[in-house]
Formats: sequence, structure tokens, C-alpha cells
Amino acid sequence: GAGVSQTPSNKVTEKGKYVELRCDPISGHTALYWYRQSLGQGPEFLIYFQGTGAADDSGLPNDRFFAVRPEGSVSTLKIQRTERGDSAVYLCASSLIGGLGTGELFFGEGSRLTVL
Amino acid sequence: TQLLEQSPQFLSIQEGENLTVYCNSSSVFSSLQWYRQEPGEGPVLLVTVVTGGEVKKLKRLTFQFGDARKDSSLHITAAQPGDTGLYLCAYRDDKIIFGKGTRLHILP
Repeated sequence: GAGVSQTPSNKVTEKGKYVELRCDPISGHTALYWYRQSLGQGPEFLIYFQGTGAADDSGLPNDRFFAVRPEGSVSTLKIQRTERGDSAVYLCASSLIGGLGTGELFFGEGSRLTVL
Repeated sequence: TQLLEQSPQFLSIQEGENLTVYCNSSSVFSSLQWYRQEPGEGPVLLVTVVTGGEVKKLKRLTFQFGDARKDSSLHITAAQPGDTGLYLCAYRDDKIIFGKGTRLHILP
């Protein structure tokens, strides 16, 4: 497809388990962003990649959260030792360029994570 | 600290009515963006306002950037059920930072 693709769309896990969420950005987009959105809130920034490197990871809440983008395309958000408070929709977005020149972000439909 | 304050948090009005939602800050921005998000989907960019005092129109939606570039408003004329959604304002530094949004519900 032409848009940002996120898998899985829904993930239910138990407290303490490890979770991986995948994002496939629009082809040719160099910048990739991860956000977390809790019910009734706006998206909260987590991390942003320019190419393969994390340009800004200031939004990651703690060291249980980690993200990679090894080939500058697909990205994986990894959450270790999940907690109930991690339950949220995790949104991925991509843009043609990043940084201060950031134009329009194109979002995926999100991965809904529920930690029981 | 929430840099962008959006109000109201919730708004439910009848179809055909007009409404205005607000995005305020004490900071000055080079630009502000407005997004709309529908349930089960990601936010979609509606407009970017860049110049202080700028007014942009998108069909029945009118966006204004404050003269001092600290605030913005979104006015919807003759609201329709299809306007229902979460309206988010956002600013750019090296990434996009969103406000908490205004959840709008238009009753048929």
C-alpha cells in the first residue's frame, strides 16, 4: 500500500511480557516518528529517526522502551517488562524530510496495546 | 508542561450550528498546524499557518493564526456529522508536538 502500515493493529499481553510493534513507512520517507496516544489525549512524542539513526529520543518514558530502524525504512518499537500503564495506541508517522524542515506527517492507523 | 492548551476539551453541538475551538500558548511559534483524527485512525493534517494574522479557509473550516503567533483558532460554519472527530493543534521543532485536542461531536 501507499500509506504507513503498522502491525499488529491490536496486541493484548500480560504484565511483564515483551512486545514488539512494527512500522512500515511510506517509501522514500527519510523521517519516521513514534507517538503514544492514551484515551482522550493527543499523541505524545516518543522518538524520531532520520534515516537509520535516532535523531531525538527524548520522549521515551524509560529504559524499558527502545526503537530501531536498522536499514532506514521499517522501524520496530520494543517494550520490555510491560506494565499496565503502557496500554495505549502507538502511532507511527513518516515524512519526506525531518528536522526543522519537517512538513506533513503521514500517520498509520496505530497499534493498540493492552497490558492486562 | 503542556505548551499548547486547547479549549474546549469537549464540544457537542447540533448539526448546522457554528463553533470555534482554540489553541493557546504563552510561547511564540514560527507556525502551527491543525490535524483531525477520527476513531481508529491516525491524525490527518488539515492546514499549516505560518504568518501572524493569517487566515486560511478549507471549505467550511476557517483557521486563524494570532497576530503575535502565540495562538490559533478553528471556526466551523454549519457543522455536519462528518466533522465529528478529535481536532489537534501542533507545533514543529525537530518533531511535531501536539496539544491534547478538542473532541468534537456533531449531533444529526
